[in-house]
Amino acid sequence: AQKITQTQPGMFVQEKEAVTLDCTYDTSDQSYGLFWYKQPSSGEMIFLIYQGSYDEQNATEGRYSLNFQKARKSANLVISASQLGDSAMYFCAMRESHGSNYKLTFGKGTLLTVNP
Amino acid sequence: DAGVIQSPRHEVTEMGQEVTLRCKPISGHNSLFWYRQTMMRGLELLIYFNNNVPIDDSGMPEDRFSAKMPNASFSTLKIQPSEPRDSAVYFCASSFSRADNYGYTFGSGTRLTVV
Repeated sequence: AQKITQTQPGMFVQEKEAVTLDCTYDTSDQSYGLFWYKQPSSGEMIFLIYQGSYDEQNATEGRYSLNFQKARKSANLVISASQLGDSAMYFCAMRESHGSNYKLTFGKGTLLTVNP
Repeated sequence: DAGVIQSPRHEVTEMGQEVTLRCKPISGHNSLFWYRQTMMRGLELLIYFNNNVPIDDSGMPEDRFSAKMPNASFSTLKIQPSEPRDSAVYFCASSFSRADNYGYTFGSGTRLTVV
């Protein structure tokens, strides 16, 4: 079973508008972390934002915010005021902690295109 | 900080040859991860080390793949013999495992093409 599901292979948004990228996850752990990464066409992986399972407030980092709904097991990324440079692949990831095991499991990604 | 350094950036090799990918993690990070990215399978974790010790190698595809971390500042991923289906981008990433909110820092990746 997939641990991280990103149901939108591709998304389009107009410049300056907000966009939400969906992510659902599956875990039986109480303690876990959720991450979003951006991968532009140049290929590097860029860490954007983190949400801990015990965090009561949604995480925010500049124009990025994470809409965390624990009961629904969703961790959607919201990008406000989209810019052309936001066009990239976006990956949701989850870290489950088991002893010394801290590995990240990634979703398949969503390709975001920002139109001028 | 120079970040996670991977070499080479690109590698083209013939089927059957040995390939060695190299990674230098960020100084002070105690966890190191090797991922493979393909269009079909996305990002797959191959192996990861904590304090230079392999913790989980369940993602290593088969015996042709091996990874070592002889010290805290260096790791290798070796494929011997290489096959065309090994063509992918291989990422190395490092993190400080005790920092809960710290994402991995990825290297720039090695694009491997096996012909």
